[in-house]
Amino acid sequence: AQKVTQAQTEISVVEKEDVTLDCVYETRDTTYYLFWYKQPPSGELVFLIRRNSFDEQNEISGRYSWNFQKSTSSFNFTITASQVVDSAVYFCALTPYGGSQGNLIFGKGTKLSVKP
Amino acid sequence: EAGVAQSPRYKIIEKRQSVAFWCNPISGHATLYWYQQILGQGPKLLIQFQNNGVVDDSQLPKDRFSAERLKGVDSTLKIQPAKLEDSAVYLCASSLDRDHEQYFGPGTRLTVT
Repeated sequence: AQKVTQAQTEISVVEKEDVTLDCVYETRDTTYYLFWYKQPPSGELVFLIRRNSFDEQNEISGRYSWNFQKSTSSFNFTITASQVVDSAVYFCALTPYGGSQGNLIFGKGTKLSVKP
Repeated sequence: EAGVAQSPRYKIIEKRQSVAFWCNPISGHATLYWYQQILGQGPKLLIQFQNNGVVDDSQLPKDRFSAERLKGVDSTLKIQPAKLEDSAVYLCASSLDRDHEQYFGPGTRLTVT
């Protein structure tokens, strides 16, 4: 069975703090994709990153960085120097490669509140 | 480039009534998805189209939900009859094909009373 667990339901930080959102996944597939999406109060899911299971390199994009560790089945997301505009619900998701590709399995999300 | 469009944005109906949602994907995107997002949870895939063919509808409650994508562009999702537990946000997404990331529309918030 495939499953994505985001253990942190809600996180609250003060602006400029760094924050890490955890994501742990379960899959029997040897090849798969992992994603992070942001859902601001407006409701629209915004694509942040896709990582395939062959690529364990960490990724940095501005204030965002992602740490993929296959050994622990984790794909954590860090926001450096958080800003109020980062307040949103963040979802981690998984999809197999081939076959049921496209069927995104989402975690329950982590609500991040960044206070000024 | 225009994003995924959905309408209506909000809908309130009584149980046992029917309702339909519309989605216009990003131009050129072959794959279209409908998701159901219940409050406090992540989205759950209902159905996936590749052009105008169904790829995956294993989680679609086919006794009351139906979807079509005529001509491989716009899509409609229908619920008939609605139940209280259908209250959710219905999200449409599209991607170039199944190997690319999905882009989501703003969703339709359905309340069944």
